Amino acid sequence: QVQLVQSGAEVKKPGASVKVSCKASGYTFTSYHMHWVRQAPGQGLEWMGIINPSGGSTSYAQKFQGRVTVTRDTSTSTLYMEVNSLRSEDTAVYYCARDLTNRLDYWGQGTLVTVSS
Amino acid sequence: EIVLTQSPGTLSLSPGERATLSCRASQSVSSSYLAWYQQKPGQAPRLLIYGASSRATGIPDRFSGSGSGTDFTLTISRLEPEDFAVYYCQQYFRTFGQGTKVEIK
Repeated sequence: QVQLVQSGAEVKKPGASVKVSCKASGYTFTSYHMHWVRQAPGQGLEWMGIINPSGGSTSYAQKFQGRVTVTRDTSTSTLYMEVNSLRSEDTAVYYCARDLTNRLDYWGQGTLVTVSS
Repeated sequence: EIVLTQSPGTLSLSPGERATLSCRASQSVSSSYLAWYQQKPGQAPRLLIYGASSRATGIPDRFSGSGSGTDFTLTISRLEPEDFAVYYCQQYFRTFGQGTKVEIK
């Protein structure tokens, strides 16, 4: 069965970086694009970026360009998302999700990133 | 950039009642790329509907989607206790609506 298992919660200081992982299993990792979506406390869903695990090509929401980097390791079927220059507004739950052509069909459990001095 | 506006913000209903949720796009979108998700507190979103009207695997038939162009609707025919949650529409893949909370009246 498809599973996306994310890394644990993080607490970071403003200006620091955080790298969240998402390990995929139960399917061929390189056959499906992957997304990152975040959700600030009490807020809605916000799309951040997408990666093609096969070739590694990426695309980001404009507001995250230059501050967010999505990568993958095909040898371990693991997806990564790094956010630099963290600020308090980046406090959120970060989700990875699998792309199935026109929808996101499987989601990770979420990783809470707290940015606080 | 397409903006999705969901209404109402909160829907207060009783179990057994019918829920009608709206998702309006700022410009016409392809029905093929309109999806709905359900999210319960502390959980990841769950895919309900894709292609505006196709139910995802395992989704009960009390959930249905319809619409085209700029106006889309998610209908829950008879609310079950487990259906009280927040619902999001998505214009694949970059844009989500702000959500509609379905709460127990």
